[in-house]
Amino acid sequence: DGGITQSPKYLFRKEGQNVTLSCEQNLNHDAMYWYRQDPGQGLRLIYYSQIVNDFQKGDIAEGYSVSREKKESFPLTVTSAQKNPTAFYLCASSTLGLAGRSSYNEQFFGPGTRLTVL
Amino acid sequence: AQKITQTQPGMFVQEKEAVTLDCTYDTSDPSYGLFWYKQPSSGEMIFLIYQGSYDQQNATEGRYSLNFQKARKSANLVISASQLGDSAMYFCAMREGSYSNSGYALNFGKGTSLLVTP
Repeated sequence: DGGITQSPKYLFRKEGQNVTLSCEQNLNHDAMYWYRQDPGQGLRLIYYSQIVNDFQKGDIAEGYSVSREKKESFPLTVTSAQKNPTAFYLCASSTLGLAGRSSYNEQFFGPGTRLTVL
Repeated sequence: AQKITQTQPGMFVQEKEAVTLDCTYDTSDPSYGLFWYKQPSSGEMIFLIYQGSYDQQNATEGRYSLNFQKARKSANLVISASQLGDSAMYFCAMREGSYSNSGYALNFGKGTSLLVTP
């Protein structure tokens, strides 16, 4: 079955540690995204990538880093510079194309990783 | 500026009744797509329905329909015959057609928490 996997489901981090969240997709999608969700809030964009070896900062990229060495994989590293990393992290992927038409570009989401700083 | 506004933090509906979740959006791009996602307590994002800005008819998917009023920039989700399993957070999101500084990522509202009562 095609889809997006994220691991781990739960992650605990000590102060000052870097941690990496995994995101893999087998949908053959060009675009991948990382979102952060805080309690009672919508999703905010951290980073996105439209093509291998290229990625761009989203609205809240400070304290995060990513890589896109393979089309299928888009790992997110939460660095010690991220002041308040406790949140729910969602990875998504989509094709690229023209919005507005019925041939939409649905974003498929992974199950998420819940990160807690101890 | 907030591109997606969901003004109802929480809603109650009785089982088997219909409910409307409000969403207004802001864009100057003539080409855009509007999405609704359901997020149960498990955290996964479940795609419900999509409306393209050029689509002439309101989108429908089973018990879900989208009341699209382009001039008013509103895209309300209507759930008919509510079921207990519909209790969840509901997010409205928009993707603009023009490549922006967020690529083709989705802009999310803050969500509406729906509780279906017996």
